Amino acid sequence: DTAVSQTPKYLVTQMGNDKSIKCEQNLGHDTMYWYKQDSKKFLKIMFSYNNKELIINETVPNRFSPKSPDKAHLNLHINSLELGDSAVYFCASSQESQYTQYFGPGTRLTVL
Amino acid sequence: DAKTTQPTSMDCAEGRAANLPCNHSTISGNEYVYWYRQIHSQGPQYIIHGLKNNETNEMASLIITEDRKSSTLILPHATLRDTAVYYCIVRASGTYKYIFGTGTRLKVLA
Repeated sequence: DTAVSQTPKYLVTQMGNDKSIKCEQNLGHDTMYWYKQDSKKFLKIMFSYNNKELIINETVPNRFSPKSPDKAHLNLHINSLELGDSAVYFCASSQESQYTQYFGPGTRLTVL
Repeated sequence: DAKTTQPTSMDCAEGRAANLPCNHSTISGNEYVYWYRQIHSQGPQYIIHGLKNNETNEMASLIITEDRKSSTLILPHATLRDTAVYYCIVRASGTYKYIFGTGTRLKVLA
């Protein structure tokens, strides 16, 4: 009965590869987010979708592309991975007009 | 940039109250104060939030000063499992965006 889940938990890959991280929430929320936490532990928002529409798009390289097939899912696809993409990526969700965000367990991405 | 400042770290004895301060001197009238914590490398966990009034739930209490320029999160009886980084966040009404600062690393000592 996990509320916000992410797969995979760990992802190790080579520079230049393309990879995806998946996020699913079973809370019935209509807004979902992706955050990046770098090695210095700064947690920064990247994207947010509300009812499958992009509402937050921070200054993120266009190699990162979020996709929301439905309200319960928000996937993150990363092209041409670089060393600097190594981080922990967190997905979160919230209910519209409530704004309290609930986070997933994170995906640790390591680019070699 | 984050609109909050917090001490880098604090220690608290197990069983005692942990009082974590947050300064948000530039807060606007329609901005809420949220508190989250992150235990080790887990996802941030929601604790509590408020606008003007003090708030209490099963996890903690939030005390907001009358001028709203600062707040204090109180964990009434800290346990070892409360060791974590605690983040104070200011969110504008009607927006979805959280801006996390550097947080306070709370260490609960046995």
